[in-house]
Amino acid sequence: QITLKESGPTLVKPTQTLTLTCTFSGFSLDASGMAVGWIRQPPGKALEWLALIYWDGDNRYSPSLRSRLTITKDTPKNQVVLTMTNMDPVDTATYYCARRGTYHGSSGYFFEYWGQGTLVTVSS
Amino acid sequence: QSALTQPRSVSGSPGQSVTISCTGTSSDVGGYNFVSWYQRHPGKAPQLVIYDVSERPSGVPDRFSGSKSGNTASLTISGLQAGDEADYYCCSYAGNYNFVVFGGGTRLTVL
Repeated sequence: QITLKESGPTLVKPTQTLTLTCTFSGFSLDASGMAVGWIRQPPGKALEWLALIYWDGDNRYSPSLRSRLTITKDTPKNQVVLTMTNMDPVDTATYYCARRGTYHGSSGYFFEYWGQGTLVTVSS
Repeated sequence: QSALTQPRSVSGSPGQSVTISCTGTSSDVGGYNFVSWYQRHPGKAPQLVIYDVSERPSGVPDRFSGSKSGNTASLTISGLQAGDEADYYCCSYAGNYNFVVFGGGTRLTVL
């Protein structure tokens, strides 16, 4: 059974750095083609893709947030960590981690398994 | 403003069909056959219902179907059921540098 779970602070102050951890089970991020990403959803707004890390350490970032994001992985711990600097109230959102799809013959450019999400509020 | 444009809301009666559109550009929807759709019920995580334009994950009813023409992708839900009432988001590959972009979401109401 594949599961992902996000953890981190529920409240951060403006200008602080947010660190979120995605702890997963049921697959290894060592496997060729595997990838885990982060997506967020502000209250009442749309989903927004943030970052992705591949099994080989390669990563991708949303162009609009690239300068503020860092995604890393700790394969033995089955964890992916996202840091976002200089937090602002507009960053208030539910943050999801999700695993890339791996259906045979598929592109892999979609998310097949999602965590339940964690709500992060940015306020002083 | 989201990268992909979806109608804010659609509605239909039980048993009817509805189609949700998702319009992008030649850099995303139109450039690749890599559109996916997600269903999100309130308070729940998004669930994949269509990938690679028209492929259904196992466990998703064949009432859900996807298609694409030019820069516009579509999700059609036939035989509407009360449980289909949810928000639906389209998503497209947008090139190696960008990975994916999402649509603004469509609220489906089953009347």
